[in-house]
Amino acid sequence: EVQLVESGGGLVQPGGSLRLACAASGFTFSSYEMNWVRQAPGKGLEWVSYISSSGSTTFYADPVKGRFTISRDNTNNSLFLQINSLRAEDTAVYYCARQLGIAVAYYFDYWGLGTLVTVSS
Amino acid sequence: QSVLAQPPSVSEAPRQRVTISCSGSASNIGRNAVNWYQMLPGKAPKLLIYYDDLLPSGVSDRFSGSKSGTSASLAITGLQSEDEADYYCAVWDDSLNGWMFGGGTKLTVL
Repeated sequence: EVQLVESGGGLVQPGGSLRLACAASGFTFSSYEMNWVRQAPGKGLEWVSYISSSGSTTFYADPVKGRFTISRDNTNNSLFLQINSLRAEDTAVYYCARQLGIAVAYYFDYWGLGTLVTVSS
Repeated sequence: QSVLAQPPSVSEAPRQRVTISCSGSASNIGRNAVNWYQMLPGKAPKLLIYYDDLLPSGVSDRFSGSKSGTSASLAITGLQSEDEADYYCAVWDDSLNGWMFGGGTKLTVL
């Protein structure tokens, strides 16, 4: 059974940092592209970052460029998101999602339950 | 980051049919496949439709998707109370090199 379990969220002051993790199981993690998606309270889903299966290619949404870093450890089946210079608007539930597909047709077939990041003084 | 345009809310009576629209542009819906997700409180987002109109295994055939040009739609027939949820369209945007989500549509079954 495919499982994605996020951890690392919590309450942090503005300007602070956190490292989110996503533990993957039930599939060959190293074969899949992965993403982070977030949802602020009362708001919609917002894509945050993408990483290729090897980790060699990454993309970021404009609001997080230069502050967030996505990475992965294929040996230990883990995905990470280092988030620095946190702002109040980064408060959200952060989900990791597995990406599947080819060519112009990709989709997220499995998601975790998310981890809550709260930025407040 | 801009979003794909979805109606904020729709409502319909049980056993009826409802559609949710998703409007984008040439760089996203016009070029790439659209996916739809269902979100229920406290649960992981669930894939409902992928590749514009395909159903994942285990998803009820009361759900269907379609796309034309730079717009896509999700249709739900035979509405049930359990369908009350938030629905999001999503597509890769070639200009932004990133995923775009719709603003989300809250479905109320009256």
